[in-house]
Amino acid sequence: SQKIEQNSEALNIQEGKTATLTCNYTNYSPAYLQWYRQDPGRGPVFLLLIRENEKEKRKERLKVTFDTTLKQSLFHITASQPADSATYLCALDAGGYQKVTFGTGTKLQVIP
Amino acid sequence: DVKVTQSSRYLVKRTGEKVFLECVQDMDHENMFWYRQDPGLGLRLIYFSYDVKMKEKGDIPEGYSVSREKKERFSLILESASTNQTSMYLCASIQTGRETQYFGPGTRLLVL
Repeated sequence: SQKIEQNSEALNIQEGKTATLTCNYTNYSPAYLQWYRQDPGRGPVFLLLIRENEKEKRKERLKVTFDTTLKQSLFHITASQPADSATYLCALDAGGYQKVTFGTGTKLQVIP
Repeated sequence: DVKVTQSSRYLVKRTGEKVFLECVQDMDHENMFWYRQDPGLGLRLIYFSYDVKMKEKGDIPEGYSVSREKKERFSLILESASTNQTSMYLCASIQTGRETQYFGPGTRLLVL
């Protein structure tokens, strides 16, 4: 069956360090993968999209990699700040009608 | 600025009541989605609509119905609310041909 795995354990890192979050998937062949940020009690907000033919994408302090052989995406936040504390969700193209399937998210806590 | 609004942020209902959750988007998007989000389970797709009066079942449609009479409005209906429908409900919209979903703020529903 299709599965998306994100580290369910919260990730605590020191301010200024690089946070790395992982998204693994099985039995998908996504055309693209997305990362969203979700704050408590709020809806997810889109951050980055990476396509199957792209290895890496950057946006300011954010970097996403996509390895279709390993079936894995890594999401990096460099020079992390307490304001980066949130839950980060990965989402895979589920095929048709712009549907995506979401992972359960990883909660990031950046400690001052 | 794009906007998806949901009729209520918090809702408390009794078992057996009929519940209406409304979602409105101002971006002229063709596609709209209803998800529920539960701890450890992530976002799960209930229903989606790719056009006015069109609807498709998502992964967990049981106990729910939807209505899309106007392009900007997508309603989720719980015909007879049950305690296992206590959850966070999120609406999203997306333009055909694009990949980014725009989410509303969510409705936290408690069924007693």
